[in-house]
Amino acid sequence: GEDVEQSLFLSVREGDSSVINCTYTDSSSTYLYWYKQEPGAGLQLLTYIFSNMDMKQDQRLTVLLNKKDKHLSLRIADTQTGDSAIYFCAEKNDYKLSFGAGTTVTVRA
Amino acid sequence: KAGVTQTPRYLIKTRGQQVTLSCSPISGHRSVSWYQQTPGQGLQFLFEYFSETQRNKGNFPGRFSGRQFSNSRSEMNVSTLELGDSALYLCASVGEHYEQYFGPGTRLTVT
Repeated sequence: GEDVEQSLFLSVREGDSSVINCTYTDSSSTYLYWYKQEPGAGLQLLTYIFSNMDMKQDQRLTVLLNKKDKHLSLRIADTQTGDSAIYFCAEKNDYKLSFGAGTTVTVRA
Repeated sequence: KAGVTQTPRYLIKTRGQQVTLSCSPISGHRSVSWYQQTPGQGLQFLFEYFSETQRNKGNFPGRFSGRQFSNSRSEMNVSTLELGDSALYLCASVGEHYEQYFGPGTRLTVT
């Protein structure tokens, strides 16, 4: 089956780290992705990870993948006000992406 | 490299009308996907095209259709519009690792 789940809200203080969690169900997914959406905009690809990797780091972003538990996380270091947005995780199934409902991240001063 | 363009950006239609949305992918990309985004249902897959062939279709009624041209540009059409079709329609250009680069979307309002 295809079902991606995320917590809906996260509030974080500016300068702290944010961790957004996601679980997926399709063990055959080859790639997993993180997207960011700001109000009124389309989705911006942040990063993605191949299913045979455990971790990927890209500047302030760190993706961790636990394939056994089908758990994916995105850590944002030194969170800034510009990081306030909705974050979506997605998995590749056949010729499409299946998205979670999105986690709204609010950065407070 | 130019990004994904979608036209029009905003559209207001009345029930029963039809609408055509256009998408130009990133140069060199041969695959295009379409998604519908609504507050209630989130992001739902509509269809995916590769080299003018539809490879996958989501769970939408036949009123939703699409096509892709030889230059990889894609269009989607919605006929007999219903109020529930009001949504943000997103087109994505697909890269080599199936990562998808989204356009800004077309905001469709059906009244």
